Amino acid sequence: AQSVTQPDIHITVSEGASLELRCNYSYGATPYLFWYVQSPGQGLQLLLKYFSGDTLVQGIKGFEAEFKRSQSSFNLRKPSVHWSDAAEYFCAVASYFGNEKLTFGTGTRLTIIP
Amino acid sequence: NAGVTQTPKFRVLKTGQSMTLLCAQDMNHEYMYWYRQDPGMGLRLIHYSVGEGTTAKGEVPDGYNVSRLKKQNFLLGLESAAPSQTSVYFCASSYSGRTNYGYTFGSGTRLTVV
Repeated sequence: AQSVTQPDIHITVSEGASLELRCNYSYGATPYLFWYVQSPGQGLQLLLKYFSGDTLVQGIKGFEAEFKRSQSSFNLRKPSVHWSDAAEYFCAVASYFGNEKLTFGTGTRLTIIP
Repeated sequence: NAGVTQTPKFRVLKTGQSMTLLCAQDMNHEYMYWYRQDPGMGLRLIHYSVGEGTTAKGEVPDGYNVSRLKKQNFLLGLESAAPSQTSVYFCASSYSGRTNYGYTFGSGTRLTVV
């Protein structure tokens, strides 16, 4: 069964600093990988997704993520965070072969300090 | 363009009461899902539907029932609410079972069972 681990429950960074959120997945074949963001009181919004090809994918709001098969990782990065990036971030995995369901990690809450 | 709309947004129930959560999407999506979100546990799939008239169990289906009588609506029912069902419930939809299209989420229903 597929699974996702987000080892950091809560991360605090200063505004303008760089950010990296970790995500490790477990899946027997080539996965589809996603990052979603949830602002307080809101639903989840898709940031970016990886299916194949270039292992560095660009998303919205200046985010990017790198797929590393050897490490089973799909870490999310941003070079300079803004106060509006404070939110909860979820990594998710799905079957390459079109499984109907996404499996989510437990999330990482990001706090931005001035 | 409403996307995915959930009603109600908030509800307080007494133990043993019943209620129905409504999810409506206007994107002509085939697939619809119900998730619950609990602190430290991420999103867990309750039930899902791959088309009108179909439903299937997810990861945590006990205590819930669903119906998809119309393509645009996906109802989640609690027949006899329990405090363990206190959670935030999210509905999502997708264009097809190929998750490369991503999910569109509603803004959630916060349910408290006392």
